[in-house]
Amino acid sequence: NAGVMQNPRHLVRRRGQEARLRCSPMKGHSHVYWYRQLPEEGLKFMVYLQKENIIDESGMPKERFSAEFPKEGPSILRIQQVVRGDSAAYFCASSQKGGVSHRGPTIYFGEGSWLTVV
Amino acid sequence: DQQVKQNSPSLSVQEGRISILNCDYTNSMFDYFLWYKKYPAEGPTFLISISSIKDKNEDGRFTVFLNKSAKHLSLHIVPSQPGDSAVYFCAASPRGGGNKLTFGTGTQLKVEL
Repeated sequence: NAGVMQNPRHLVRRRGQEARLRCSPMKGHSHVYWYRQLPEEGLKFMVYLQKENIIDESGMPKERFSAEFPKEGPSILRIQQVVRGDSAAYFCASSQKGGVSHRGPTIYFGEGSWLTVV
Repeated sequence: DQQVKQNSPSLSVQEGRISILNCDYTNSMFDYFLWYKKYPAEGPTFLISISSIKDKNEDGRFTVFLNKSAKHLSLHIVPSQPGDSAVYFCAASPRGGGNKLTFGTGTQLKVEL
């Protein structure tokens, strides 16, 4: 029973290059969330997607960042023309439903992708 | 604006003693509060949650207390074990916000022998 799978785990990009981070949700989960953790900070919500739909992208930077969750395949977080400030850990999480269960929010996080921009 | 605050960046406790991690929030619309544990280079792992209509939830060595009037919650770990050494994040979910969580900045807990 595989958990949330993220790859690559570590990615180094030069300024101006593109970064693509992939996330495969847990089996049976159709809701995906991306969070970013900058150094010395907590995780911050970026975007919430269902298959082929962006539900909430209120945490996404206005430029250079995009996310998709196609009908087939993993969710992709794409960062164009990376800058040093994009260096962070990017966590994907998934849930079976978009809403909370009787126990509260039930999302499961992957192990993260660490992006370093040099 | 930091809606969920963890004012202690670090805490050191002796093995066997109680660890108390604190969290304050400003948004009265939060519906659920959660604690996550995170080891270096890994993703956060869910520990325990509490609904805003309750004031206490217990699960084994972990107990979360919620004081709504003070907008404060705390996580008690007793007895503390060396394997509990990790960063602990407090998180909150707004009413109707589903799984869109707001996280605090974390507290590094070190349990010493």
